[in-house]
Amino acid sequence: GAGVSQSPSNKVTEKGKDVELRCDPISGHTALYWYRQSLGQGLEFLIYFQGNSAPDKSGLPSDRFSAERTGGSVSTLTIQRTQQEDSAVYLCASSFSGETGYTFGSGTRLTVV
Amino acid sequence: DAKTTQPTSMDCAEGRAANLPCNHSTISGNEYVYWYRQIHSQGPQYIIHGLKNNETNEMASLIITEDRKSSTLILPHATLRDTAVYYCIVRVANTGNQFYFGTGTSLTVIP
Repeated sequence: GAGVSQSPSNKVTEKGKDVELRCDPISGHTALYWYRQSLGQGLEFLIYFQGNSAPDKSGLPSDRFSAERTGGSVSTLTIQRTQQEDSAVYLCASSFSGETGYTFGSGTRLTVV
Repeated sequence: DAKTTQPTSMDCAEGRAANLPCNHSTISGNEYVYWYRQIHSQGPQYIIHGLKNNETNEMASLIITEDRKSSTLILPHATLRDTAVYYCIVRVANTGNQFYFGTGTSLTVIP
């Protein structure tokens, strides 16, 4: 596609449930990032994938968070046993390896009730 | 990556140039200056980046001081659609380093 696609655009879940968020990067982009943004806050780095290298997971806030990237393309971010503090917009970005700017998706707005 | 300092908010009259400053006094020689913006309810959008020379593209101009300790993003003719939060970020290019988004400058373009 022409841009980074994220789904769903909105997700409301009950506390304690697991959720999966999906990111389809721009075709050919080898680098993929996940960020999250709480209401009125800046962007918080979560995880970074680059080609076949081991991902940089240094930003994941707890072991309830995990992510994978299959075939070097689509990525899913999984949050287990969701908590209310997980409510945020989860943003995915991709680029060619290490180059200029990153293209962000429109995000998934997660609300944990 | 070096930290940056930006004003919290700025106003600009529609049609005038918007000049957004950024201080990055601890920038390293191999770190680039990047600018992104985030319009309400959207993901961040790349604007421009540079190392030490001034840069211009269809969206904006980037002026970097000779000592590279500060820079200015210039939107030559601001429109209402330029109202957004503007982030100044320094980062080593061609690495896997993440972009550290600070709090940015909230620019409001006034009719």
